[in-house]
Amino acid sequence: SQTIHQWPATLVQPVGSPLSLECTVEGTSNPNLYWYRQAAGRGLQLLFYSIGIDQISSEVPQNLSASRPQDRQFILSSKKLLLSDSGFYLCAWSFRPYRGLRNTEAFFGQGTRLTVV
Amino acid sequence: QKEVEQNSGPLSVPEGAIASLNCTYSDRVSQSFFWYRQYSGKSPELIMSIYSNGDKEDGRFTAQLNKASQYVSLLIRDSQPSDSATYLCAALMNTGFQKLVFGTGTRLLVSP
Repeated sequence: SQTIHQWPATLVQPVGSPLSLECTVEGTSNPNLYWYRQAAGRGLQLLFYSIGIDQISSEVPQNLSASRPQDRQFILSSKKLLLSDSGFYLCAWSFRPYRGLRNTEAFFGQGTRLTVV
Repeated sequence: QKEVEQNSGPLSVPEGAIASLNCTYSDRVSQSFFWYRQYSGKSPELIMSIYSNGDKEDGRFTAQLNKASQYVSLLIRDSQPSDSATYLCAALMNTGFQKLVFGTGTRLLVSP
């Protein structure tokens, strides 16, 4: 079975400090990978999605970046955090569609609650 | 118009009642839809997916897709206090990639 690991669970960082959040998926190959952010009491905002190594699309340019150095590893980074970067960051994966596969549900990691102070 | 829209609620129902959650979508999404449940402070968990027009049932949950009217709904029968959560509607965009977008969620409160 497939599992997704995301860490750390909570993080408190000062304004201007760097950020690195990591997500790994086990039990599948060539997954689609996503980073979402959820502000307090708000919906999920898609930040980045990736269909393969070095194939990443950005939805929210801002001061965040994403990388996929390995097939099942997705990293969210920032060089200098802003107060507005606070939120609940969620990594998710889904199967890569192929002939006959219609199930394209996304499955989420446990999330990282980031507080920028 | 946003790709996926939901009423933020809260929707309050008594225990044992049917909770009806609705979601409308734009022409920019494909015909793959998903319902997620999110408890406070937790990550979303998948409840159901629906791809075809009509109803799909799984236990106490029924998802309904109406392509002509561009809405998706989730019915929860025999609602329990443990069903109190935020329910997120999601859909895949018509981009050729698996870009998954979410509504803002509807908060459901089930009172004992």
